[in-house]
Amino acid sequence: GAGVSQSPSNKVTEKGKDVELRCDPISGHTALYWYRQSLGQGLEFLIYFQGNSAPDKSGLPSDRFSAERTGGSVSTLTIQRTQQEDSAVYLCASSLGGVGNTEAFFGQGTRLTVV
Amino acid sequence: DQQVKQNSPSLSVQEGRISILNCDYTNSMFDYFLWYKKYPAEGPTFLISISSIKDKNEDGRFTVFLNKSAKHLSLHIVPSQPGDSAVYFCAATGQGAQKLVFGQGTRLTINP
Repeated sequence: GAGVSQSPSNKVTEKGKDVELRCDPISGHTALYWYRQSLGQGLEFLIYFQGNSAPDKSGLPSDRFSAERTGGSVSTLTIQRTQQEDSAVYLCASSLGGVGNTEAFFGQGTRLTVV
Repeated sequence: DQQVKQNSPSLSVQEGRISILNCDYTNSMFDYFLWYKKYPAEGPTFLISISSIKDKNEDGRFTVFLNKSAKHLSLHIVPSQPGDSAVYFCAATGQGAQKLVFGQGTRLTINP
C-alpha cells in the first residue's frame, strides 16, 4: 500500500498479558515514530528510529515497553504485562529522513483496550 | 515538560468565518513547525508547515504564521467550512530534537 499500515486496528487484552503492535511504514522512509494518544490527551511521543542510528527511546513510559525495527522497515511495539493505563490509541508514523524538512505520515492507529 | 502548548482545548466558529488556532513553544532550538488535522478513528494528516526562516506560509484556505521572538505560531483557516471540524495538532522539531513534538490539540467545531 501507499500509506503507513498498522495492525491490528483494534486490540482488547486482559490486564497482565503481553501485546504486539505492528507498523509497516511507507517504502523508502528511513524514519519511523511511535506515539500514543490516551483519551482526551495529546500525542505522546514514545520512540523514534532513524536509519541505522540508535533509536531515541526517551518517550517510553516504562521498561514494559519496547520496540524494534527489523531491516529498517517494519516495526513492532511490544507492551509486556499490560496495565489499564496502557489503554490508548497507538500511532505509527514514517518520514523520508528525520523531520527536518519533510512531514511525517501517520497510520490509522491501533486502539488498545486493557480490561 | 510540555515544549509545545496549545492552550485552547476547543474552539467553535461559524461557517464562513475565520478560525484561528494558536500554539506556543518553549524550545528555541525548534526550527520547523507543522500543523496536523485529525478526524476521529483516523491518524493525523499533515496540513501545512513552516520553516523558521519564514514568518508566513499560505496554502489555499490555510495560512500559518510564525512569530519567533514570541515563540508563537498560529493557523488561520478562512473561510471555515463544516469539513474543517476536527482536532488540530501543532508540532515542532529542529536541531537536536529530530523527533516531532506535538501539542495537546485543539478541537475545532464549525457551526453551520
